[in-house]
Amino acid sequence: QVELVESGGGVVQPGGSLRLSCAASGFTFRSYGMHWVRQAPGKGLEWVAFIRYDGTNKYYADSVKGRFTISRDNSKNTLFLQMNSLRAEDTAVYYCAKDRLLGGYYFDYWGQGTLVTVSS
Amino acid sequence: EIVLTQSPGTLSLSPGERATLFCRASQSVNNNYLAWYQQKLGQAPRLLIHGASSRATGIPDRFSGSGSATDFSLTISRLEPEDFAVYYCQQYGSSPPWTFGQGTKVEIK
Repeated sequence: QVELVESGGGVVQPGGSLRLSCAASGFTFRSYGMHWVRQAPGKGLEWVAFIRYDGTNKYYADSVKGRFTISRDNSKNTLFLQMNSLRAEDTAVYYCAKDRLLGGYYFDYWGQGTLVTVSS
Repeated sequence: EIVLTQSPGTLSLSPGERATLFCRASQSVNNNYLAWYQQKLGQAPRLLIHGASSRATGIPDRFSGSGSATDFSLTISRLEPEDFAVYYCQQYGSSPPWTFGQGTKVEIK
C-alpha cells in the first residue's frame, strides 16, 4: 500500500532554514509527480510546491517562491522541501502528497504531515 | 488563478440526514477537473472525488459529486457518524497553482 512519511519539522527562528523529507513506499516513486501542501493552525489547505516525476519541472506558490525549493531523489524514493528565510506565516503542518499522474493532476495519497513552527 | 468558494461554511446535521456541499469557481474549471477531499480532525486529507463526479478507490457510494464549469456539489446521501469532518474542493484544471476552497465543516447537530 502507498505510504508517505514526512520528517524534518520543528521549531525554527524567523529567518532560519529547515529541510523537510518525505519517504515514499508502496508505489513506483519515479513515475509520479509529487506535491507539498501546508495547513496553518486552524486554517485550510494551501498548495506549496510541485515537482514532475523526473524533476524537470517545478512550480511554487507565490507565497514561497524564491524561498522554498522542492527536489527529489528517485534512487532513494524521497521528496524534499528546503525552506529558507522562514517567516511566522510559514508556521503550518506540511503534507507531502502523491499526484495521480506524472505531470500534475489531483492528489490521491497524502502523508500524515510534519509541523513547522516559526517563532522566536 | 482560479478562486474556489465553498458554501456553507458549516453544515449542522444529524446522522442519517442528507448533506449537500457547494463549490463555486471564479472561472470555468477546465475539463471539470475538480476534486473533493475529506479531512477529519488531526488527520491528513483523503481523496473522495475526482473529475467532479468519479469516486476514488474505496469511497462508499453514499458520496457523490456533480456539477460542471463553475458550479459543483458534493452530496452525502445519508450521513454516517464517521462522515462528520471538513470537506475541501480543489481544482486541477488550470494549474499551477492548484487551488483549494476554504472548506465546509459538517458537524453533528
